[in-house]
Amino acid sequence: KNEVEQSPQNLTAQEGEFITINCSYSVGISALHWLQQHPGGGIVSLFMLSSGKKKHGRLIATINIQEKHSSLHITASHPRDSAVYICAARGGNKLVFGAGTILRVKS
Amino acid sequence: NAGVTQTPKFQVLKTGQSMTLQCAQDMNHEYMSWYRQDPGMGLRLIHYSVGAGITDQGEVPNGYNVSRSTTEDFPLRLLSAAPSQTSVYFCASTLGGGLNSPLHFGNGTRLTVT
Repeated sequence: KNEVEQSPQNLTAQEGEFITINCSYSVGISALHWLQQHPGGGIVSLFMLSSGKKKHGRLIATINIQEKHSSLHITASHPRDSAVYICAARGGNKLVFGAGTILRVKS
Repeated sequence: NAGVTQTPKFQVLKTGQSMTLQCAQDMNHEYMSWYRQDPGMGLRLIHYSVGAGITDQGEVPNGYNVSRSTTEDFPLRLLSAAPSQTSVYFCASTLGGGLNSPLHFGNGTRLTVT
């Protein structure tokens, strides 16, 4: 069993829909990262959080350390949000990654 | 500001050949790391460094060597390439010696070993 599990693996949404991607981890962590990987392969950091909630534009990330769970929400989704979303749990100086959620937003 | 630069973008090796994947950053980041990405498995940590002269193993270090002689550079060496090392390799860096800041990724190197 992976230490970091993401769900769903694949997600197709209509433009404008509210999207939630979930990340659960089984190890104690000090922070969790959310990353976005575009179809061209480049990876960018979206959020790093250790408690509570962060918001950037239409993206919202939340984490519940006690329940070992984090969510990434996208409001008013757009086709340009189509990408792979990856969560990564920080333990010490190492990151353990989820397998990613492939998101496709149709217009 | 170039960020994290990886070279080459593509490479084909024969089994047994050696090569070095280059990674350089110009942001004065202490933490640098190498990952491989395989279909369905997500990113896995190969080696990392928390500063010049300091390196440590990650989850899948076998068959790979690293060194960190300067803050800017963190090359990854494949000693004797094997088909199992066919993958996409990413280098990443972050401010400070740990993971308290967002990661900055290079654009990746697609390696095929035949």
